Amino acid sequence: DQQVKQNSPSLSVQEGRISILNCDYTNSMFDYFLWYKKYPAEGPTFLISISSIKDKNEDGRFTVFLNKSAKHLSLHIVPSQPGDSAVYFCAAIPGTGTYKYIFGTGTRLKVLA
Amino acid sequence: DTEVTQTPKHLVMGMTNKKSLKCEQHMGHRAMYWYKQKAKKPPELMFVYSYEKLSINESVPSRFSPECPNSSLLNLHLHALQPEDSALYLCASSQDSQVYSPLHFGNGTRLTVT
Repeated sequence: DQQVKQNSPSLSVQEGRISILNCDYTNSMFDYFLWYKKYPAEGPTFLISISSIKDKNEDGRFTVFLNKSAKHLSLHIVPSQPGDSAVYFCAAIPGTGTYKYIFGTGTRLKVLA
Repeated sequence: DTEVTQTPKHLVMGMTNKKSLKCEQHMGHRAMYWYKQKAKKPPELMFVYSYEKLSINESVPSRFSPECPNSSLLNLHLHALQPEDSALYLCASSQDSQVYSPLHFGNGTRLTVT
Protein backbone atom coordinates (compact mmCIF):
# COMPACT_ATOMS: atom_id res chain seq x y z
CA ASP A 1 0.00 0.00 0.00
CA GLN A 2 1.76 3.12 -1.27
CA GLN A 3 0.82 5.93 1.11
CA VAL A 4 2.73 8.57 -0.82
CA LYS A 5 2.40 8.58 -4.59
CA GLN A 6 4.02 10.47 -7.40
CA ASN A 7 1.95 9.58 -10.43
CA SER A 8 4.28 11.07 -13.03
CA PRO A 9 7.41 8.94 -13.36
CA SER A 10 9.04 11.54 -15.59
CA LEU A 11 8.77 15.17 -16.66
CA SER A 12 10.61 17.24 -19.29
CA VAL A 13 10.73 21.02 -19.11
CA GLN A 14 12.51 23.70 -21.11
CA GLU A 15 15.22 25.67 -19.35
CA GLY A 16 13.82 28.86 -17.84
CA ARG A 17 10.29 27.52 -17.59
CA ILE A 18 8.47 26.33 -14.49
CA SER A 19 8.71 22.71 -13.37
CA ILE A 20 5.77 21.41 -11.34
CA LEU A 21 6.16 18.10 -9.55
CA ASN A 22 3.14 16.57 -7.85
CA CYS A 23 2.64 14.25 -4.92
CA ASP A 24 -0.50 12.71 -3.41
CA TYR A 25 -0.86 11.01 -0.06
CA THR A 26 -3.51 8.89 1.57
CA ASN A 27 -2.71 9.07 5.28
CA SER A 28 -4.48 12.04 6.89
CA MET A 29 -2.11 11.73 9.87
CA PHE A 30 0.83 12.99 7.83
CA ASP A 31 1.92 16.24 9.39
CA TYR A 32 5.23 17.22 7.81
CA PHE A 33 6.20 16.96 4.18
CA LEU A 34 9.56 17.16 2.46
CA TRP A 35 11.03 17.19 -1.03
CA TYR A 36 14.35 15.59 -1.91
CA LYS A 37 16.44 15.65 -5.04
CA LYS A 38 18.60 12.70 -6.03
CA TYR A 39 21.41 12.56 -8.57
CA PRO A 40 22.72 9.18 -9.75
CA ALA A 41 25.28 7.62 -7.40
CA GLU A 42 24.45 10.11 -4.64
CA GLY A 43 22.15 10.09 -1.65
CA PRO A 44 18.95 12.16 -1.64
CA THR A 45 19.50 15.84 -0.86
CA PHE A 46 16.92 17.75 1.19
CA LEU A 47 15.35 20.64 -0.72
CA ILE A 48 12.41 22.09 1.15
CA SER A 49 9.76 21.13 3.67
CA ILE A 50 6.35 22.23 4.88
CA SER A 51 4.33 21.48 7.96
CA SER A 52 0.60 20.92 7.83
CA ILE A 53 -0.17 24.25 9.48
CA LYS A 54 1.02 26.04 6.35
CA ASP A 55 -0.09 25.92 2.74
CA LYS A 56 3.01 27.37 1.13
CA ASN A 57 6.72 27.55 1.78
CA GLU A 58 9.25 29.24 -0.44
CA ASP A 59 13.02 29.00 -0.64
CA GLY A 60 14.66 30.72 -3.57
CA ARG A 61 13.59 29.03 -6.80
CA PHE A 62 11.70 26.30 -4.91
CA THR A 63 8.16 26.62 -3.59
CA VAL A 64 6.12 23.85 -2.02
CA PHE A 65 2.33 24.05 -1.91
CA LEU A 66 0.18 21.92 0.38
CA ASN A 67 -3.53 21.27 -0.13
CA LYS A 68 -4.60 19.27 2.90
CA SER A 69 -8.20 18.81 1.83
CA ALA A 70 -7.04 17.24 -1.42
CA LYS A 71 -4.11 15.44 0.27
CA HIS A 72 -1.86 16.88 -2.40
CA LEU A 73 1.41 18.73 -2.46
CA SER A 74 3.45 20.14 -5.28
CA LEU A 75 6.93 21.47 -5.82
CA HIS A 76 7.42 24.40 -8.16
CA ILE A 77 10.86 25.18 -9.55
CA VAL A 78 11.18 28.47 -11.36
CA PRO A 79 13.14 29.14 -13.41
CA SER A 80 14.21 25.58 -14.17
CA GLN A 81 17.89 25.01 -14.86
CA PRO A 82 19.69 22.06 -16.51
CA GLY A 83 21.34 21.31 -13.13
CA ASP A 84 17.88 20.62 -11.72
CA SER A 85 17.70 17.43 -13.80
CA ALA A 86 17.42 14.67 -11.19
CA VAL A 87 14.92 12.37 -9.54
CA TYR A 88 12.66 14.15 -7.07
CA PHE A 89 11.08 12.36 -4.12
CA CYS A 90 8.39 13.69 -1.86
CA ALA A 91 8.25 12.33 1.67
CA ALA A 92 5.89 12.57 4.61
CA ILE A 93 5.88 11.82 8.31
CA PRO A 94 2.90 11.46 10.68
CA GLY A 95 3.80 13.96 13.37
CA THR A 96 6.59 14.28 15.91
CA GLY A 97 7.45 11.31 18.05
CA THR A 98 7.87 9.02 15.08
CA TYR A 99 10.75 8.38 12.74
CA LYS A 100 8.81 6.83 9.90
CA TYR A 101 9.53 9.05 6.92
CA ILE A 102 7.61 7.58 3.97
CA PHE A 103 8.89 8.30 0.48
CA GLY A 104 7.01 8.61 -2.78
CA THR A 105 7.99 6.71 -5.88
CA GLY A 106 9.91 9.58 -7.46
CA THR A 107 9.66 11.73 -10.59
CA ARG A 108 12.57 12.05 -12.98
CA LEU A 109 12.88 15.67 -14.10
CA LYS A 110 14.79 16.53 -17.23
CA VAL A 111 15.43 20.20 -17.92
CA LEU A 112 16.24 20.77 -21.57
CA ALA A 113 18.76 23.44 -22.50
CA ASP B 1 30.10 17.54 0.48
CA THR B 2 27.65 15.42 2.38
CA GLU B 3 27.66 15.72 6.18
CA VAL B 4 26.85 12.03 6.51
CA THR B 5 29.74 9.84 5.42
CA GLN B 6 29.29 6.24 4.33
CA THR B 7 31.96 3.66 3.63
CA PRO B 8 32.62 1.81 1.47
CA LYS B 9 31.07 3.38 -1.63
CA HIS B 10 30.89 0.03 -3.39
CA LEU B 11 30.91 -3.49 -2.02
CA VAL B 12 30.78 -6.84 -3.76
CA MET B 13 30.33 -9.85 -1.53
CA GLY B 14 29.55 -13.52 -1.86
CA MET B 15 26.63 -15.14 -0.13
CA THR B 16 28.87 -16.69 2.53
CA ASN B 17 30.81 -13.51 3.34
CA LYS B 18 30.52 -11.27 6.38
CA LYS B 19 30.93 -7.56 5.80
CA SER B 20 29.96 -4.29 7.45
CA LEU B 21 28.72 -0.95 6.20
CA LYS B 22 29.73 2.13 8.15
CA CYS B 23 28.14 5.52 8.61
CA GLU B 24 29.30 8.60 10.49
CA GLN B 25 27.76 12.00 11.18
CA HIS B 26 29.03 14.95 13.20
CA MET B 27 25.97 17.16 13.17
CA GLY B 28 24.96 16.25 16.71
CA HIS B 29 21.92 14.41 15.41
CA ARG B 30 20.41 11.88 17.80
CA ALA B 31 18.51 9.74 15.32
CA MET B 32 20.21 7.59 12.69
CA TYR B 33 18.62 5.47 10.00
CA TRP B 34 19.34 2.72 7.51
CA TYR B 35 17.38 2.76 4.27
CA LYS B 36 17.53 0.36 1.34
CA GLN B 37 16.86 1.55 -2.19
CA LYS B 38 16.39 -0.65 -5.25
CA ALA B 39 16.51 0.74 -8.78
CA LYS B 40 13.54 2.94 -9.70
CA LYS B 41 12.05 2.54 -6.21
CA PRO B 42 11.81 4.90 -3.23
CA PRO B 43 14.09 4.50 -0.21
CA GLU B 44 12.66 1.88 2.12
CA LEU B 45 13.17 2.17 5.88
CA MET B 46 15.07 -0.66 7.57
CA PHE B 47 16.18 0.50 11.03
CA VAL B 48 16.12 3.60 13.21
CA TYR B 49 18.31 4.31 16.21
CA SER B 50 17.27 7.03 18.61
CA TYR B 51 19.75 8.13 21.27
CA GLU B 52 21.81 5.04 20.45
CA LYS B 53 18.94 2.64 21.09
CA LEU B 54 17.17 0.65 18.39
CA SER B 55 13.80 2.32 17.96
CA ILE B 56 12.45 0.78 14.77
CA ASN B 57 13.14 -2.52 13.00
CA GLU B 58 10.94 -2.79 9.93
CA SER B 59 10.83 -6.59 10.03
CA VAL B 60 14.25 -6.80 8.42
CA PRO B 61 15.72 -10.33 8.04
CA SER B 62 18.30 -11.22 10.69
CA ARG B 63 21.06 -11.44 8.06
CA PHE B 64 21.13 -7.65 8.49
CA SER B 65 22.33 -6.62 11.93
CA PRO B 66 22.54 -2.94 12.89
CA GLU B 67 24.79 -1.48 15.56
CA CYS B 68 25.13 2.01 16.99
CA PRO B 69 28.42 2.20 18.94
CA ASN B 70 27.92 5.90 19.78
CA SER B 71 25.82 8.87 18.76
CA SER B 72 27.98 9.59 15.70
CA LEU B 73 28.40 6.10 14.30
CA LEU B 74 26.08 3.56 12.77
CA ASN B 75 27.04 0.19 11.35
CA LEU B 76 25.17 -2.44 9.38
CA HIS B 77 26.61 -5.93 9.64
CA LEU B 78 25.88 -8.25 6.75
CA HIS B 79 26.01 -12.03 6.79
CA ALA B 80 24.73 -14.74 4.44
CA LEU B 81 23.06 -12.27 2.11
CA GLN B 82 21.08 -13.21 -0.97
CA PRO B 83 21.47 -11.79 -4.49
CA GLU B 84 18.14 -9.99 -4.07
CA ASP B 85 19.74 -7.97 -1.26
CA SER B 86 21.79 -6.15 -3.87
CA ALA B 87 20.79 -2.50 -3.59
CA LEU B 88 21.92 0.97 -2.56
CA TYR B 89 22.09 1.19 1.23
CA LEU B 90 21.59 4.68 2.54
CA CYS B 91 22.38 6.00 5.97
CA ALA B 92 20.61 9.11 7.24
CA SER B 93 20.41 11.20 10.38
CA SER B 94 18.03 13.73 11.88
CA GLN B 95 17.92 15.86 14.99
CA ASP B 96 15.44 13.70 16.90
CA SER B 97 11.81 12.79 16.74
CA GLN B 98 10.49 15.61 18.94
CA VAL B 99 10.97 18.32 16.33
CA TYR B 100 10.23 18.38 12.65
CA SER B 101 13.59 18.00 10.99
CA PRO B 102 14.68 16.70 7.61
CA LEU B 103 16.69 13.57 7.08
CA HIS B 104 20.25 14.13 5.95
CA PHE B 105 21.48 11.29 3.77
CA GLY B 106 24.90 9.96 2.96
CA ASN B 107 25.82 8.99 -0.58
CA GLY B 108 25.15 5.34 0.08
CA THR B 109 26.94 2.05 -0.36
CA ARG B 110 26.21 0.22 -3.60
CA LEU B 111 26.07 -3.44 -2.55
CA THR B 112 26.25 -6.33 -4.99
CA VAL B 113 25.74 -9.86 -3.70
CA THR B 114 27.07 -12.56 -6.00
